[in-house]
Formats: sequence, structure tokens, C-alpha cells
Amino acid sequence: GDSVTQMEGPVTLSEEAFLTINCTYTATGYPSLFWYVQYPGEGLQLLLKATKADDKGSNKGFEATYRKETTSFHLEKGSVQVSDSAVYFCALTSTDSWGKLQFGAGTQVVVTP
Amino acid sequence: NAGVMQNPRHLVRRRGQEARLRCSPMKGHSHVYWYRQLPEEGLKFMVYLQKENIIDESGMPKERFSAEFPKEGPSILRIQQVVRGDSAAYFCASSTLTRQGDAQPQHFGDGTRLSIL
Repeated sequence: GDSVTQMEGPVTLSEEAFLTINCTYTATGYPSLFWYVQYPGEGLQLLLKATKADDKGSNKGFEATYRKETTSFHLEKGSVQVSDSAVYFCALTSTDSWGKLQFGAGTQVVVTP
Repeated sequence: NAGVMQNPRHLVRRRGQEARLRCSPMKGHSHVYWYRQLPEEGLKFMVYLQKENIIDESGMPKERFSAEFPKEGPSILRIQQVVRGDSAAYFCASSTLTRQGDAQPQHFGDGTRLSIL
């Protein structure tokens, strides 16, 4: 079945550091890929998405590129802020169950001043 | 510009009682999804509904859980005879029309935190 694997957290880094969160997936067909962010006590917010190979999603300084050859969708940000502290979820919808988001376990990111 | 509205935000029930969780989708959205987040875990899909139709309920437990999205009013996730293991955060999401190969982003509510005493 479909699955998403993310690097385990917590990831702790200083303000202005470079952030990478690895995400790989297993899916049949051509899934759509997403990154969501969850702040404490809140629901998930869509951060970015990519729907086909080599697409790059970007938003608020975050980027991720859909790599079909490595089945990856790693999230990156060049200079993090304290306000980026949150839990980040990688997710996919596959072509045979397009209404269902399959989530990774989430990666907690803590940014210190 | 209301987003996805869930209520209540917190719900406490005793074992054996019923829990009823409500979700009003974003304006213009006709598709609703329910997810469950157990402590220290990611979100797990439960059910996908359109108005008056269940599209995919592959993530719903076979017993005690049901969901509906009537023609009028919010979507309801109902848990009968709750047990301690039902304690979790339940999130609702909504989207516009989505179809194979053209998945529309799902927009999430802030969740209902269910605690079973």
C-alpha cells in the first residue's frame, strides 16, 4: 500500500539556519505530494504541493521538489525563524484513492533564538 | 471568510457514552474528510464524504463509528459507546471537487480533542 516516511524529530536548530526535512514515499501511479504544517493546538495548514514529477512547490520561503526517480519530496528552507517552530507533515494522495491523504508521522522542528 | 469550523473544540465523555463531532466545511466546498490523530502519531484517514454520500470509508473502524454529511447542515462524526482508546484529536478537512489526477488541497479545521474518562 501507499506510505510516506519522514525523518524523525525533533529537529532543533538556531534562527537563520538551513532546514531540510527528508520525505520519501511509496505509491502506485502518480501521486500528488503535499507538505502541511501544524502549530500547537491548531489544525493543519497546507504549506505547499506538487502534482507531477519535477514540479517545485514553494511558499513562505519553503520549497520542495517532486523527484520521481528517488521517490522523494524533501522540504527545505534557507533561513528559519523562531516562528517556523511547528510539526511538519509530508503527505500524498494516490491516483487510486485521490480523496485520501496519506500522512507521514510528522517532524517536529524547534527553532531557538 | 470562515474556514473549516469544528465544534466542540474539546469534548469529554465517560466510557459508554456517545460522542458527536461536527464539521462545517469552507464555503463552496462540497467534500469533507475526517482524520484521527492519536497521541504522538500522525494523522490517519477515516472517511471521505460528499453531500449525502460516503465515498471512501476504508479508514473507519468497523464498529461504533459512523459519519454523515446531510444535504443541509454540518458533517457529523458519531462514536457510540466510547472507550478510552477513542481519546484523540479528530480533524475535519474540506475541499472543492477533487478527482483522479487532480487532487485539490484539503483545508483543515482546528480539530476536536476528545477525552474519555
